[in-house]
Amino acid sequence: EAGVAQSPRYKIIEKRQSVAFWCNPISGHATLYWYQQILGQGPKLLIQFQNNGVVDDSQLPKDRFSAERLKGVDSTLKIQPAKLEDSAVYLCASSLTGQGVGDAEAFFGQGTRLTVV
Amino acid sequence: AQSVAQPEDQVNVAEGNPLTVKCTYSVSGNPYLFWYVQYPNRGLQFLLKYITGDNLVKGSYGFEAEFNKSQTSFHLKKPSALVSDSALYFCAVRRYSSASKIIFGSGTRLSIRP
Repeated sequence: EAGVAQSPRYKIIEKRQSVAFWCNPISGHATLYWYQQILGQGPKLLIQFQNNGVVDDSQLPKDRFSAERLKGVDSTLKIQPAKLEDSAVYLCASSLTGQGVGDAEAFFGQGTRLTVV
Repeated sequence: AQSVAQPEDQVNVAEGNPLTVKCTYSVSGNPYLFWYVQYPNRGLQFLLKYITGDNLVKGSYGFEAEFNKSQTSFHLKKPSALVSDSALYFCAVRRYSSASKIIFGSGTRLSIRP
């Protein structure tokens, strides 16, 4: 079974520029998550989708971050304009539904390392 | 609100010795609990989970974890450490309900010396 795919793997941009990350979850997974992992810290949930609806975006900085999941499959996370403190690894993950006993865990992609200079 | 605490930033163990990585959690209601491992420049890899039932759960690479409801803990263990176990380990929790979010701890770096 193919895993969660993310692109690009690395991105370097100047502050105030915009950037977009792409994620393709595991086939059939209804729940998709975007996490931000700053160096030395644990992953922080930015946004969670159930199919193409937003379940939780309470920690998404909505003045500069946006995300969408069209057709309930692929997702894009955008930052505009970027700040120095946005330098981090952006992780995408997916899980089946999050409702059943057997499918509670999330599976992660390799992440996109963003450096803002 | 959900939260996870990993009290040790780093754990150092000699190869062949048992290892324990500590985790405590706070969540309303029953928890789902997870351990993930992260190798350099890689995403998080799922190790094991507690959902319900037996308090001792077994996972990948010989790891196991013990759920203790009274102490709200979910410590990761392995009877005999390998150098290749050296990595960053994360504990995570979600509420026992549909579509709840997964909250991660700050991570513990495990270093196994030969």
